[in-house]
Formats: sequence, structure tokens, C-alpha cells
Amino acid sequence: NAGVTQTPKFQVLKTGQSMTLQCAQDMNHNSMYWYRQDPGMGLRLIYYSASEGTTDKGEVPNGYNVSRLNKREFSLRLESAAPSQTSVYFCASSEARLGSKNIQYFGAGTRLSVL
Amino acid sequence: DAKTTQPPSMDCAEGRAANLPCNHSTISGNEYVYWYRQIHSQGPQYIIHGLKNNETNEMASLIITEDRKSSTLILPHATLRDTAVYYCIVRVNNDMRFGAGTRLTVKP
Repeated sequence: NAGVTQTPKFQVLKTGQSMTLQCAQDMNHNSMYWYRQDPGMGLRLIYYSASEGTTDKGEVPNGYNVSRLNKREFSLRLESAAPSQTSVYFCASSEARLGSKNIQYFGAGTRLSVL
Repeated sequence: DAKTTQPPSMDCAEGRAANLPCNHSTISGNEYVYWYRQIHSQGPQYIIHGLKNNETNEMASLIITEDRKSSTLILPHATLRDTAVYYCIVRVNNDMRFGAGTRLTVKP
């Protein structure tokens, strides 16, 4: 079991470039999440997908789009990157069924710099 | 969503118990208390959670006060590898709000 896998691990973009961060989980979880973490701060939720086919905005969705491609994969897209989006991005998944612990499992992160 | 308050940093001697406090005075009746930790710049790792009863697992114990307005995470025998940022979170749904957490440093 790999758990939650994020690609790439590192990325440098120029302002205005676009890119997609990939996330895949092999735990058959229903829910998936994207967070960002700025230096010295806690994680902030960007978007989440409670189940396949649904997505919802989190605390900081502006400048991002997401796609729940299938149950395993949840991607995050930056259409026109800005320096303010320089951050570490974490993907997570959880079983999120009624009565379950709803524990979130996190990937290793993608370190993104926008110049 | 209820908010939490944690001290920004704490030290603990190796082998001693580490007691990390968290205040959540506006917690609702159906909101759970979760604890995660983040070692260096890795992804956060689940530790334990509870609703109103005290809980214990292989990693830690969670003590929740009777009025549920505060809780304490206890690492019974801290090791150097427990040095991390510890997050206390209250949640009832998918929207989990991380604060700045407590940076625990375990010293030899």
C-alpha cells in the first residue's frame, strides 16, 4: 500500500504559467482533499471531494480548480500561477463513511515556487 | 466551526511525559477533538481523537474535560522522534481547520 501519492514533489513555475498537481490514493477512500501550507502556518483547505463526482470549496479556493477524475484520483490545477501561490500543497484522503473515524491520511506534499 | 487555542511551543525531556494542552471553549456537542502531528515538513499524521470520553491508543492518550472546553494530549514517554508540531482540531464534517499548533521539542 502506497497510501496517498502526490506528484511532482517539487516544481518551479513562472508567473502566469499553468500546472496540475496530481494525487492518487489506493485505500479505496471516498473523500479526498487539497490543502496548502505557507511557512510557519497550519494547513488551509483549498477544495475537497466528499465522494466521486462531487467537489466543494474549502477555506481558500480562489485561483484553483479541481477534478475528481475517479475514486482514486483528485487533481488540483493552477490556471495562471501567481507568487502568492508559492506554498507546500498536501493531498489527503479519508474513508468518510457514516460512523467511521473519518481520519485523514496525507501525502508527502508538493513544494511549489512561483517566480 | 469551533476554534482551538494552543501554546506556540513546549519543551520536554526525553523519556518524560509530554502534556500538550488545547482550549476549545466554543465546541459544539457533536464536534470531535482530533490530534495530528507534523514532523519536519512531512504530511500531517493522525494521532488520536475523542468526543467526550478519555481515549488511549498505542501512540498517546487524550484527556477531555467534563465540560469539553479543553483537552490534553499525553505522550507518555517522549522520544526525540516525537519532536514535531502538534495540531488540535475540532470538527464534525469534512472541513478540518488547522491552527498554528504547538511546536514540541523533545530534548536529550
